[in-house]
Amino acid sequence: NAGVTQTPKFQVLKTGQSMTLQCAQDMNHEYMSWYRQDPGMGLRLIHYSVGAGITDQGEVPNGYNVSRSTTEDFPLRLLSAAPSQTSVYFCASRPVRDGETQYFGPGTRLLVL
Amino acid sequence: AQTVTQSQPEMSVQEAETVTLSCTYDTSESNYYLFWYKQPPSRQMILVIRQEAYKQQNATENRFSVNFQKAAKSFSLKISDSQLGDTAMYFCACYISQGGSEKLVFGKGTKLTVNP
Repeated sequence: NAGVTQTPKFQVLKTGQSMTLQCAQDMNHEYMSWYRQDPGMGLRLIHYSVGAGITDQGEVPNGYNVSRSTTEDFPLRLLSAAPSQTSVYFCASRPVRDGETQYFGPGTRLLVL
Repeated sequence: AQTVTQSQPEMSVQEAETVTLSCTYDTSESNYYLFWYKQPPSRQMILVIRQEAYKQQNATENRFSVNFQKAAKSFSLKISDSQLGDTAMYFCACYISQGGSEKLVFGKGTKLTVNP
């Protein structure tokens, strides 16, 4: 199993550009989520999904869009990048049962100029 | 609101010694789960240990153990026989499920350095 994979590993964007961060998992997990990690802030939840076709907002959803058309994939879209979105983005997955361990991808480092 | 506090931004320990990382949390829920994650310089988030709040017995995982004090809402991590590979950021996290929504809230992390 590859676990949770993310692409790209690093990306530089100009303000106003859009892009999609890819996330895939091969563990057949129902639950998937996106976090951002900023210095001194820990990880904060952006969006999550409890299954194909179902998504919901987390703590910091503004400026981001998600969709879940398959169990395996959960892309994160930046609609119009802003410097405040410079961060490290982590995708995670787990079984849908309460309290199950989340498995994280390796992260995508995004720099918005 | 649910919060997780790690009061030690940085700590250091000598190789082979024992170190304890502190974590306190605040939730009004009676059923929740607590986690410690390790993030080495590679940035990969790795689960260290997991505790179910309804279990009184402290979780252990090889050299890692927790001191779970439910009444005090404290969840500290003890690392015994510290190794150089334990150098990393350590994040405490609390999961709750409430009224159809769920949250996994992280603390801001403790940077642990193991010195040779």
